[in-house]
Amino acid sequence: NAGVTQTPKFRILKIGQSMTLQCTQDMNHNYMYWYRQDPGMGLKLIYYSVGAGITDKGEVPNGYNVSRSTTEDFPLRLELAAPSQTSVYFCASSYITSGAQETQYFGPGTRLLVL
Amino acid sequence: QKEVEQDPGPLSVPEGAIVSLNCTYSNSAFQYFMWYRQYSRKGPELLMYTYSSGNKEDGRFTAQVDKSSKYISLFIRDSQPSDSATYLCAMSSGADSGNTPLVFGKGTRLSVIA
Repeated sequence: NAGVTQTPKFRILKIGQSMTLQCTQDMNHNYMYWYRQDPGMGLKLIYYSVGAGITDKGEVPNGYNVSRSTTEDFPLRLELAAPSQTSVYFCASSYITSGAQETQYFGPGTRLLVL
Repeated sequence: QKEVEQDPGPLSVPEGAIVSLNCTYSNSAFQYFMWYRQYSRKGPELLMYTYSSGNKEDGRFTAQVDKSSKYISLFIRDSQPSDSATYLCAMSSGADSGNTPLVFGKGTRLSVIA
């Protein structure tokens, strides 16, 4: 299993440009998440999905969009990039059933710089 | 008050020291408690998890949960330079309680000096 994979690893965007951060997991996990991590600020949840076709906002969703058409893929879309979106983005997945504890598996991250 | 509080450090210790990392929380519904380790320029990885109150030991690592004080700890014995990383606590109420996503602390950056 490759686990959670993310592409690209690094990207520089100009203000106003758009891009899609890709995330794929091969563990058949039902839950998937997008976080951003700024220095000294921990992980902030952007969006999450409990299954194909179902998404929900996290703590900091403004400026981002997501879709979940398959179990494996959970892309994150930035429509109008702003310098405040400079960050490291992590995708994660987990398998949650009733009575079970949740273990999130993280991808290696995408470093985004908006200039 | 933030839901999860964690001292960001940085914390610097000599090799072989005992390290204590801590988090406090405010939501009494939390019952699953985890510690993630994150090396520089990598994604977090699960290190320890504990259900409800009590201790759990795994090699040089011990996780403690005191639900009455809303306080969790991670102890690292005989610390090694390879333990240098950022440690994030995380907690949730679990799938049977509406399954809200994990709530993470900000992380504590640890350096173990050889």
